[in-house]
Amino acid sequence: GNSVTQMEGPVTLSEEAFLTINCTYTATGYPSLFWYVQYPGEGLQLLLKATKADDKGSNKGFEATYRKETTSFHLEKGSVQVSDSAVYFCALRPGNTDKLIFGTGTRLQVFP
Amino acid sequence: DAGITQSPRHKVTETGTPVTLRCHQTENHRYMYWYRQDPGHGLRLIHYSYGVKDTDKGEVSDGYSVSRSKTEDFLLTLESATSSQTSVYFCAISVSGGEKLFFGSGTQLSVL
Repeated sequence: GNSVTQMEGPVTLSEEAFLTINCTYTATGYPSLFWYVQYPGEGLQLLLKATKADDKGSNKGFEATYRKETTSFHLEKGSVQVSDSAVYFCALRPGNTDKLIFGTGTRLQVFP
Repeated sequence: DAGITQSPRHKVTETGTPVTLRCHQTENHRYMYWYRQDPGHGLRLIHYSYGVKDTDKGEVSDGYSVSRSKTEDFLLTLESATSSQTSVYFCAISVSGGEKLFFGSGTQLSVL
C-alpha cells in the first residue's frame, strides 16, 4: 500500500544549525511528494513539492529532493531560525488518486 | 487566507450524541477533504469529495458520514459520537485532487 514514514521528534536545534528531517515512502506508481508545515494553532500549509524523480522542491530556504532509488524525500535547511519552530509533515499523492497521505509529523524546536 | 471556514472551532459533547461539523469555502474549489489529527498518527483522511454529491471514503471513515449538497459546503457527521473520536478535525480544499491543499484552522472536538 501507500504510506509515509517520518523520523520521530522532537528535533531540537540551536538557531543557525543545519536541519534534516528524514522522510521515506512506499507507493505504487509514480507519486508526487510534499512537505507541509503546521505552526502552533493553525492548519497545515504547503511548504514545497516535487512531482517526479530527481526534482528538487524549495521554498523559504528549505529544500527536498525526490529520490526514487532510495524512496526518500528528506527536508533540509542550511540555517534554521526560531521562527521555523513548527510541526513538519511529509506527504505523498499516489499517481492514480485524488488523495493526500500524510506521515505522522516531526516537531522542530529551535532555540536562540 | 484560502477562504475556508470551519465551524464550530471548539465543541464538547457527550458519548452517543450526533455531531455535525461544517466546512465552508469561498474559492469554488472542486475537491474538499476531512482529516483528523491525533498524536502519533499525524493526519488521517476520513472522507473527501470531488464534486457536489460525489464523495468517497478515506482510511478512517467508520463512524463518520459526509454530505456535499453545494460546492461551498462539506459537512462531516458523527452519527453517535464516541470517546475515540475526540480529535482535531481539519477541512481542506484543492483545485486539483491531492495537489496543493489549503487547510482550515481546525475544530477541536472533545467527546466525554
